[in-house]
Amino acid sequence: AQSVTQPDIHITVSEGASLELRCNYSYGATPYLFWYVQSPGQGLQLLLKYFSGDTLVQGIKGFEAEFKRSQSSFNLRKPSVHWSDAAEYFCAVVPSGGSYIPTFGRGTSLIVHP
Amino acid sequence: GAGVSQSPSNKVTEKGKDVELRCDPISGHTALYWYRQSLGQGLEFLIYFQGNSAPDKSGLPSDRFSAERTGGSVSTLTIQRTQQEDSAVYLCASSLETGSGNTIYFGEGSWLTVV
Repeated sequence: AQSVTQPDIHITVSEGASLELRCNYSYGATPYLFWYVQSPGQGLQLLLKYFSGDTLVQGIKGFEAEFKRSQSSFNLRKPSVHWSDAAEYFCAVVPSGGSYIPTFGRGTSLIVHP
Repeated sequence: GAGVSQSPSNKVTEKGKDVELRCDPISGHTALYWYRQSLGQGLEFLIYFQGNSAPDKSGLPSDRFSAERTGGSVSTLTIQRTQQEDSAVYLCASSLETGSGNTIYFGEGSWLTVV
């Protein structure tokens, strides 16, 4: 069955430290890949997306993600975390063929210590 | 408006009552989605509208849930005879024509509490 896995429910980092949030998917073909961020009480905001081409994707707020086909992964990274990055992060995948309905991971809650 | 608009932003209702949640997508967006987000959970797909095609209702959890989209724009999600387990945030999203990797934009959600 198709699935999206975010193995870390919570991640705690110190402000200024680097960050990597993991996302793995199980699909027959390379899907479209997204990362969204949700601040408390807010909707989801798109950070970045991968459709094809360069496997390293730059997004907003200093985030980047790397698509690795061999590992079926699309991990989100940031070199230096700011306190305002504390939020819930969701990975989403959309099949590249068929119905265009995103499937979301369960989310990773990022806690930033001063 | 500039973004996806949802109303009400918060709704408290008594168990057994019906509720309607409204979504106004971004102008020109033909695809519209409803998701449910329960406390500490990810996003659960409910229903998907694309243009004039029949909606994909495969995510609706029971026959108490239904949704309409009038004129290819505004959508209403209706929950009949609400139960406490229906308490969640209901998120609406929209995008341009699907199939080419268009970005999906989310509203801020309707927070439903069933007491």
